[in-house]
Amino acid sequence: NAGVIQTPRHKVTGKGQEATLWCEPISGHSAVFWYRQTIVQGLEFLTYFRNQAPIDDSGMPKERFSAQMPNQSHSTLKIQSTQPQDSAVYLCASSLQGALYEQYFGPGTRLTVL
Amino acid sequence: GDSVTQTEGPVTLSEGTSLTVNCSYETKQYPTLFWYVQYPGEGPQLLFKVPKANEKGSSRGFEATYNKEATSFHLQKASVQESDSAVYYCALSWNSGGSNYKLTFGKGTLLTVTP
Repeated sequence: NAGVIQTPRHKVTGKGQEATLWCEPISGHSAVFWYRQTIVQGLEFLTYFRNQAPIDDSGMPKERFSAQMPNQSHSTLKIQSTQPQDSAVYLCASSLQGALYEQYFGPGTRLTVL
Repeated sequence: GDSVTQTEGPVTLSEGTSLTVNCSYETKQYPTLFWYVQYPGEGPQLLFKVPKANEKGSSRGFEATYNKEATSFHLQKASVQESDSAVYYCALSWNSGGSNYKLTFGKGTLLTVTP
């Protein structure tokens, strides 16, 4: 079992550029969660999909951030017009349908916006 | 909204000594409580979860009891090892109509164990 795969592991963008982060959940897991981790705010929930459908995006900033899950094997988090305050580690987690509380995290993508 | 407050770190202990990381929570729901551990360069890993009040969770020598009256879920270990050095997160989640499983985390406690 390869675990949750996140690519790239590190991404550096210039202010105003777009960043797309990829997540491959554990095979057979039907739920995908995105979190953001910073020194100041800690771990914050962004959004959640179950069976590819968006369920809760209450943590997503209203502008510039979007997430999709086009198929069972991957989800993307897109940030348009990146700003320095978007610099963070973005974590993806997945879980089984019958154990949605047990979330398995990937290693994260460290995004640095210059 | 929901919130989790835990011992501010960093915490430095000698190998073989005992550990307590305090965690208290606020929520209007009846949550499931969690302890996660995060090593450098990795995502958080579930240490254990406790879904019911007055029950205890444990793993790898760590344990915590869900105290609903005190709204607390303190992490304890009798004898820490150097390999326990990591960041520990207390977290909660609750399910409303089958639609909400997001985790709310505390700020994390960095534990360093010296030989």
